[in-house]
Amino acid sequence: GQSLEQPSEVTAVEGAIVQINCTYQTSGFYGLSWYQQHDGGAPTFLSYNALDGLEETGRFSSFLSRSDSYGYLLLQELQMKDSASYFCAVKQDSNYQLIWGAGTKLIIKP
Amino acid sequence: NAGVTQTPKFQVLKTGQSMTLQCAQDMNHNSMYWYRQDPGMGLRLIYYSASEGTTDKGEVPNGYNVSRLNKREFSLRLESAAPSQTSVYFCASSDLGANVLTFGAGSRLTVL
Repeated sequence: GQSLEQPSEVTAVEGAIVQINCTYQTSGFYGLSWYQQHDGGAPTFLSYNALDGLEETGRFSSFLSRSDSYGYLLLQELQMKDSASYFCAVKQDSNYQLIWGAGTKLIIKP
Repeated sequence: NAGVTQTPKFQVLKTGQSMTLQCAQDMNHNSMYWYRQDPGMGLRLIYYSASEGTTDKGEVPNGYNVSRLNKREFSLRLESAAPSQTSVYFCASSDLGANVLTFGAGSRLTVL
């Protein structure tokens, strides 16, 4: 079967660094995406990794290791507004169907 | 720049009623999608339209139909609503083959 696994919940302190992991098992792999969703809101795009390595965008970075079928999202200098759910999603072939993880709820404490 | 606009935002239906969710995007994207999101689960693709004039089934198409009216608009129809279709529905659009999706604000549907 095809699956993406990510922790259901992660807690961190304001100002700290947190890493959200995603392991995947899919029939194909084109790339790994990360989306942020605040309660009651829409998912918003954060990053897309097609190649191994680290991509940095401001306070957020995303890493991919295709040989390990693993990626992570790294959030630095955490702010209260970063409290949200974070979803990883795999594009497994050239069509338009993404496979989504169940999401990680990030709780930030002052 | 509105992005992706969905209507309605909230809807309550009785079992067996029909309704259409509307979606429009103003980003000149080729591809559009309908997803549903249930508590504790990731997004599941219902239908998508890779380009104007085409539609394809996603992971959970049963009980739904879609129409790609033009490049901007993509509607989702429930012909005979069932309680299992109670969910939050998101429309999304993209260019470049689903590498980056832009989502609408969502439509919360309750079927009694």
